[in-house]
Amino acid sequence: DAGVIQSPRHEVTEMGQEVTLRCKPISGHNSLFWYRQTMMRGLELLIYFNNNVPIDDSGMPEDRFSAKMPNASFSTLKIQPSEPRDSAVYFCASTGQGEQPQHFGDGTRLSIL
Amino acid sequence: SQQGEEDPQALSIQEGENATMNCSYKTSINNLQWYRQNSGRGLVHLILIRSNEREKHSGRLRVTLDTSKKSSSLLITASRAADTASYFCATVSGAGSYQLTFGKGTKLSVIP
Repeated sequence: DAGVIQSPRHEVTEMGQEVTLRCKPISGHNSLFWYRQTMMRGLELLIYFNNNVPIDDSGMPEDRFSAKMPNASFSTLKIQPSEPRDSAVYFCASTGQGEQPQHFGDGTRLSIL
Repeated sequence: SQQGEEDPQALSIQEGENATMNCSYKTSINNLQWYRQNSGRGLVHLILIRSNEREKHSGRLRVTLDTSKKSSSLLITASRAADTASYFCATVSGAGSYQLTFGKGTKLSVIP
């Protein structure tokens, strides 16, 4: 069974550029989460979707960040324009109904120069 | 914002010893979960303990929960070098919530 798949694994780009991170959740899972991990702030929830609908985006740091889930098998997190302080590891996780554990992808390591 | 706070931040032990990590949290919870993260990888779920449970076991893992003290502990018995990783506690609060709030983790090093 394939786990949560994220792409790319690494992204290095210059500030001001648009960055798009992609996530394929586990088939059958109906909740999807985007997290950001840094040494200073730890693991922060950015946004989560339930049945493809954004439920809580209060963790999205700024209007430069946006997330979509056009269908149950795909989600994107976009940063436009990117800034050096956006450098972090971004994780996607998915889960099913009830008290199910979250399953994490291996993350995208983003470096903004 | 951080809900769980793990203690210690880092722990170094010899293979075969037991490792204990603690987690404190601030608000009432539905359940508390422990996750493990190997370097460069995503988090992996280890164990979930509900607010009405006091202790749970899974293999070499033992988790306790004290809701009166708002704290939990994770014990790994007979540690192995392969247990080297960061360990995070995460809480779920609020009716029907799926959101996890993570602590900053304990970095465990098991020396062969």
